[in-house]
Amino acid sequence: SAVISQKPSRDICQRGTSLTIQCQVDSQVTMMFWYRQQPGQSLTLIATANQGSEATYESGFVIDKFPISRPNLTFSTLTVSNMSPEDSSIYLCSFGLAENEQFFGPGTRLTVL
Amino acid sequence: GEDVEQSLFLSVREGDSSVINCTYTDSSSTYLYWYKQEPGAGLQLLTYIFSNMDMKQDQRLTVLLNKKDKHLSLRIADTQTGDSAIYFCAEKGGVDSSYKLIFGSGTRLLVRP
Repeated sequence: SAVISQKPSRDICQRGTSLTIQCQVDSQVTMMFWYRQQPGQSLTLIATANQGSEATYESGFVIDKFPISRPNLTFSTLTVSNMSPEDSSIYLCSFGLAENEQFFGPGTRLTVL
Repeated sequence: GEDVEQSLFLSVREGDSSVINCTYTDSSSTYLYWYKQEPGAGLQLLTYIFSNMDMKQDQRLTVLLNKKDKHLSLRIADTQTGDSAIYFCAEKGGVDSSYKLIFGSGTRLLVRP
């Protein structure tokens, strides 16, 4: 399996600011995803990060709020824009090495005051 | 739409077997997964099963799949205190759902000494 890292691991931010989360994989992967896990909840897919094109967002998530970049096959960023306390969650990037395997990064724990 | 359901809580005594159950609705699921999340940590892929299989065994873990009833279970033999965590089942849809993962709400397993 590949190694996946996220930065920062946690942050406390003020309302109205933005935070960019980085995800780095040590192998080239075709599909990368961003998930959100709200406190005490399950995981919800935000978007699929496509290399060289715009991300594909799930219902309820928009590019203006969660802009995503994927400049190459090993790296992606997710920005949480104009944050409010409701954005306090764990944000996880995920990738698939093959059709059957999907791995998750360690997550970024975000608290918005 | 797709839905995945799990019971919220399971308590077992150390050394006993644990069985965590999951039901799903998407009949076009390709793979079904079990992930483990320990407090403050990301998701660890425990095991997965292809949708045309009935059973998969991996050391202490046994996955049973009843595709007719859309029922998935994870059995942990000789449960240890280190197995205490939240366990998520997830199903991966087919090409029409862009192979995204749909997660259950998670089952919190508590192992009593």
